[in-house]
Amino acid sequence: EVVLTQSPGTLSLSPGERATLSCRASQSVWSSYVAWYQQKPGQAPRLLIYGASTRATGIPDRFSGSGSGADFTLTISRLEPEDFAVFYCHQYGHSPLTFGGGTKVEIK
Amino acid sequence: EVQLLESGGGLAQPGGSLKLSCTTSGFTFSTYAMSWVRQAPGKGLEWVSVIVPNGGSTYYADSLTGRFTISRDNSKNTLYLQMNSLRAEDTAVYYCARVAGSGSLHIPIDYWGQGTLVTVSS
Repeated sequence: EVVLTQSPGTLSLSPGERATLSCRASQSVWSSYVAWYQQKPGQAPRLLIYGASTRATGIPDRFSGSGSGADFTLTISRLEPEDFAVFYCHQYGHSPLTFGGGTKVEIK
Repeated sequence: EVQLLESGGGLAQPGGSLKLSCTTSGFTFSTYAMSWVRQAPGKGLEWVSVIVPNGGSTYYADSLTGRFTISRDNSKNTLYLQMNSLRAEDTAVYYCARVAGSGSLHIPIDYWGQGTLVTVSS
């Protein structure tokens, strides 16, 4: 099983600041089959990024994904008030599919 | 508009059973793989199962040890999850999710339902 470790657990930032979230896999993820999801309290997750770096439909360009092999990053260039949430990375290249433990981005 | 609506959650006794349903609309259900993902209270996401469009192949998280069965009825645009021998650790919100294609692997989940809460307790 591919274990995904996300860091930091919590990120305290102000609107307008840059957020950098890390996702490290226990082994190389085949063909960068990594996605990122945003989840707000009481809501379902929303797909932000797939294929490590491709934005999903309707996702603002302040969200970007990068990485390959076993190290992946989600960057939010300038945080908007609606961006504060929990973010999960997810690998879908190896069975069983797995999710990281999440990074909470909170208002400082 | 893609819509996924789960139902069937509630309180179950340890060792009991529940069957979840997910009714869908807004897309051609029979051409997409579908998944279940769960989230224990205050915890992260855990993938449960996936089924290919014709129902011919299914895959499960190792931890389920054969207690859960995913199925689908393409004539009703509905996905199911039969859960048997329930344990306290199965308590979670169960999300129905669409895979962005017909494969069981190498394709991300692109849409999620709002979830249904399953509580296992005596």
